[in-house]
Amino acid sequence: GAGVSQSPSNKVTEKGKDVELRCDPISGHTALYWYRQSLGQGLEFLIYFQGNSAPDKSGLPSDRFSAERTGGSVSTLTIQRTQQEDSAVYLCASSRGGGLNTGELFFGEGSRLTVL
Amino acid sequence: EDQVTQSPEALRLQEGESSSLNCSYTVSGLRGLFWYRQDPGKGPEFLFTLYSAGEEKEKERLKATLTKKESFLHITAPKPEDSATYLCAVQAGAAGNKLTFGGGTRVLVKP
Repeated sequence: GAGVSQSPSNKVTEKGKDVELRCDPISGHTALYWYRQSLGQGLEFLIYFQGNSAPDKSGLPSDRFSAERTGGSVSTLTIQRTQQEDSAVYLCASSRGGGLNTGELFFGEGSRLTVL
Repeated sequence: EDQVTQSPEALRLQEGESSSLNCSYTVSGLRGLFWYRQDPGKGPEFLFTLYSAGEEKEKERLKATLTKKESFLHITAPKPEDSATYLCAVQAGAAGNKLTFGGGTRVLVKP
């Protein structure tokens, strides 16, 4: 498919377990974002990758959260020792990353995380 | 810190009843303001980009406008398929390319 692909679509885990969420961006997009959306809320910025530059990690809520992007393409968001407050939909987006279109983000359908 | 506030939180309209959504922002060096539409269970979908005060963009029944302090999304003669959450976001000079989103306005258009 031509869109942003995220997996898993749903994840239920127990408190204290680690989880990994995967994002496969649109081919050729150099920028990749992770956002978090809690029930009925807006989007909370987590982390941003642009090409080979150092990522903007300013939105990560704690050191339990980390993300990497391998080969400038696929990204994995890892949450260690999950807590109930981590329950949310985690959205990944990609963009062309340059010029005037840097704000036109293409979002995946999200990974819904539930921590019991 | 960049801030984006949307109002109202929710809006119920009859089909054909026009209305406006508000997005107020406080940023240092606005580079762009963006409107997205989000359907339940889906990721947001890009609608418009506005770069400077006075700019307007239109798409079907939607029209977005921008001033130095706020943006409006006007919905003219809405249809039930316009029901969605509308999100506003800003991109500011000091924040690189990341977007700061508002809380959204949930719009329900009843037939």
